[in-house]
Amino acid sequence: AQSVTQLGSHVSVSEGALVLLRCNYSSSVPPYLFWYVQYPNQGLQLLLKYTSAATLVKGINGFEAEFKKSETSFHLTKPSAHMSDAAEYFCAVTGSGYNKLIFGAGTRLAVHP
Amino acid sequence: SQTIHQWPATLVQPVGSPLSLECTVEGTSNPNLYWYRQAAGRGLQLLFYSVGIGQISSEVPQNLSASRPQDRQFILSSKKLLLSDSGFYLCAWNGGSVNEQFFGPGTRLTVL
Repeated sequence: AQSVTQLGSHVSVSEGALVLLRCNYSSSVPPYLFWYVQYPNQGLQLLLKYTSAATLVKGINGFEAEFKKSETSFHLTKPSAHMSDAAEYFCAVTGSGYNKLIFGAGTRLAVHP
Repeated sequence: SQTIHQWPATLVQPVGSPLSLECTVEGTSNPNLYWYRQAAGRGLQLLFYSVGIGQISSEVPQNLSASRPQDRQFILSSKKLLLSDSGFYLCAWNGGSVNEQFFGPGTRLTVL
């Protein structure tokens, strides 16, 4: 069965600091992996996706993630945090039928001056 | 381009009242459609999904039901709301080659 674990429900960084949001997955089939961002009272927006091509995936807003099969990880990073990055971030993996997504519990990112 | 709409944006309903939330997708045909709920401080819970008109799969037994009367319309309903039905309801669709889902703006439901 597929599952996603996001380590750290809350992460706080200073503006300009590195952002690292952790995601580990479990999948019985080759996974497709996604990161979404959610701003308050809005829907989820796709940041980036891994689709079995390049293991380093670049997304919108300067974010990127690296697929590491040996570590079953897909951590999200950004070299320099902006105040506008404050939001909740969700990691997701495709379900076994490939028509469902399994979401992690989310990580709320706070960025302080 | 494809767009997804949800209405209403916010809703306050008394316990025991009925519910109808609507989701429509434009710019695509035969999408897979999904209803999720986010309770306060919690992640996304998949409630229902549909791969075609009249085809509904329920993920979690509960007080809600879903229908898909048209190809690009997905409705979430309840006959009698419970306090525990409060939350942020999100509709999503996919139809792409790698199954990413695209989300609507959501409906904030408060049951009093």
